[in-house]
Amino acid sequence: QKEVEQDPGPLSVPEGAIVSLNCTYSNSAFQYFMWYRQYSRKGPELLMYTYSSGNKEDGRFTAQVDKSSKYISLFIRDSQPSDSATYLCAMSGTGGFKTIFGAGTRLFVKA
Amino acid sequence: SAVISQKPSRDICQRGTSLTIQCQVDSQVTMMFWYRQQPGQSLTLIATANQGSEATYESGFVIDKFPISRPNLTFSTLTVSNLSPEDSSIYLCSATTGGLGEAFFGQGTRLTVV
Repeated sequence: QKEVEQDPGPLSVPEGAIVSLNCTYSNSAFQYFMWYRQYSRKGPELLMYTYSSGNKEDGRFTAQVDKSSKYISLFIRDSQPSDSATYLCAMSGTGGFKTIFGAGTRLFVKA
Repeated sequence: SAVISQKPSRDICQRGTSLTIQCQVDSQVTMMFWYRQQPGQSLTLIATANQGSEATYESGFVIDKFPISRPNLTFSTLTVSNLSPEDSSIYLCSATTGGLGEAFFGQGTRLTVV
């Protein structure tokens, strides 16, 4: 079993849709949860960062962490064609633990 | 946050040669890492670059093939040695600040071996 599971997609949605991206994990030591956006031919860009359980909102993006279920989500409201990218979930523990990445979900938002 | 500059951004190399990739961070960081990303795939950790000592390599990666240096807190290099077409990939430098787990990335180096 992989430490982090993420559906690679692709996920195709119409412009304006609400997008839900998810990851599950197995290591209960993870405390920091991140979502990265990666455009083609670019490095990953940190999008959202959450510590422990709860929600965090930033504009059209909401990150949720449910540590009891070992499940994290990223919601994108009013999706735009510019949101088309690969979204990678990532997580780590304390003390400079390695960051473990999901496989990435390719998202296409159609105009 | 940290801004990471990585160069070269791309290169085409002959098999049997080596390529050295440089990574410069604009602030002192705790940890620096090197990743490989095959087309359409996620990130595979090659090694953790340790300041002033030998890097810590992940399973499947060895120092002879991927020598790494980190002479100070803000700079690291990765060399991919004895290149073969299988080494064609994107190589990414990453750094974390403090112990909070946020990882920042450079833009990557796209290597093509011919």
